[in-house]
Amino acid sequence: GNSVTQMEGPVTLSEEAFLTINCTYTATGYPSLFWYVQYPGEGLQLLLKATKADDKGSNKGFEATYRKETTSFHLEKGSVQVSDSAVYFCALERSQGNLIFGKGTKLSVKP
Amino acid sequence: DVKVTQSSRYLVKRTGEKVFLECVQDMDHENMFWYRQDPGLGLRLIYFSYDVKMKEKGDIPEGYSVSREKKERFSLILESASTNQTSMYLCASSLGPTPGGYTFGSGTRLTVV
Repeated sequence: GNSVTQMEGPVTLSEEAFLTINCTYTATGYPSLFWYVQYPGEGLQLLLKATKADDKGSNKGFEATYRKETTSFHLEKGSVQVSDSAVYFCALERSQGNLIFGKGTKLSVKP
Repeated sequence: DVKVTQSSRYLVKRTGEKVFLECVQDMDHENMFWYRQDPGLGLRLIYFSYDVKMKEKGDIPEGYSVSREKKERFSLILESASTNQTSMYLCASSLGPTPGGYTFGSGTRLTVV
């Protein structure tokens, strides 16, 4: 079946540090992949997506590349800010058209 | 700006009560979804709907039902609330597979006492 595994948090970084949040998946075929972000007290927001192998999604300085060889979609940012503190979810789209999510990784960025 | 609105931000109900969680979207989206979010478990799909009066079970439908009488409204029903249904409930909608992904509401935190 389909599944998404992402690194457990919490992740604590200093401002301007480099961020990587690992995400790997198991799926039949090549599903679309997503990163969502949830700020405190809010619902989830789409951060970026990739629909096929080798696609790179990017938004707000965040990037993730769809790697079919390693079944991965790791989230990266070169220089994090305090305002990036949030919970990040990796997700894949199943053949039925709905999403399954990883368990989420909480990021805290200290000034 | 597109919106998904959940009627209550916080809700406290008693065990055995019938509970209705309402979700309305203003984007003319065909697809609507209900998830619950629990610490350490992430989001789990309860029910979804791809059209009016249509519904499909998700991964954890037990103890829940849904209603979609109009395109813009998708209701989650807890037939007889139990304490293990205390959770954050998130509604989402989408136009179709992939293009824009989902738009989420802000969530309803339900406590069953």
